[in-house]
Amino acid sequence: GAGVSQSPSNKVTEKGKDVELRCDPISGHTALYWYRQSLGQGLEFLIYFQGNSAPDKSGLPSDRFSAERTGGSVSTLTIQRTQQEDSAVYLCASSYSSGGPPPPTNTQYFGPGTRLTVL
Amino acid sequence: SQQGEEDPQALSIQEGENATMNCSYKTSINNLQWYRQNSGRGLVHLILIRSNEREKHSGRLRVTLDTSKKSSSLLITASRAADTASYFCATAGANSKLTFGKGITLSVRP
Repeated sequence: GAGVSQSPSNKVTEKGKDVELRCDPISGHTALYWYRQSLGQGLEFLIYFQGNSAPDKSGLPSDRFSAERTGGSVSTLTIQRTQQEDSAVYLCASSYSSGGPPPPTNTQYFGPGTRLTVL
Repeated sequence: SQQGEEDPQALSIQEGENATMNCSYKTSINNLQWYRQNSGRGLVHLILIRSNEREKHSGRLRVTLDTSKKSSSLLITASRAADTASYFCATAGANSKLTFGKGITLSVRP
């Protein structure tokens, strides 16, 4: 079946512009995650959705960052007034999660990422 | 903040040798997972070990977990050039959130 897809795969923008990144999770996966990975670094957690709600958005670095999820499926991550330090690969992952007591496993399936370059 | 800390940061071995990578963490966990990343793009799940398990095998992979020492190790036996990648450990707490380490860069020389 189809995996997690992200678009665009690459995005080059000018400082100060807004960008929207899209994630299509695996069908039936209720949990969706956004991460950011700067060059040579580990993954930095940004936000987690369970269904359409975001119980944990603690990783969003500033109020320029926002994300939404509609219909329990597609999610968009929006960065307003982009800065050069926003340049990174933005990764989306999904997993099946009941949202109740901890699931027995919460393996995350990652998309290929969007490489964002802010000039 | 990152919970998992991998060790070493980089590892270079000859094809056929075994590769051992370690991960330490700070807080209690529900499970610990290892992921692999090629070319800085999407991560691929390798193996998951629950907090009540001590050892798990999957093909050429062997993972151990010592909750008393808050550490895990990933062993890749009979390494191949295609194993060259970055490897991340990730810890899962009481919720569904995974916390990743900074990763280990493994180079397998042909």
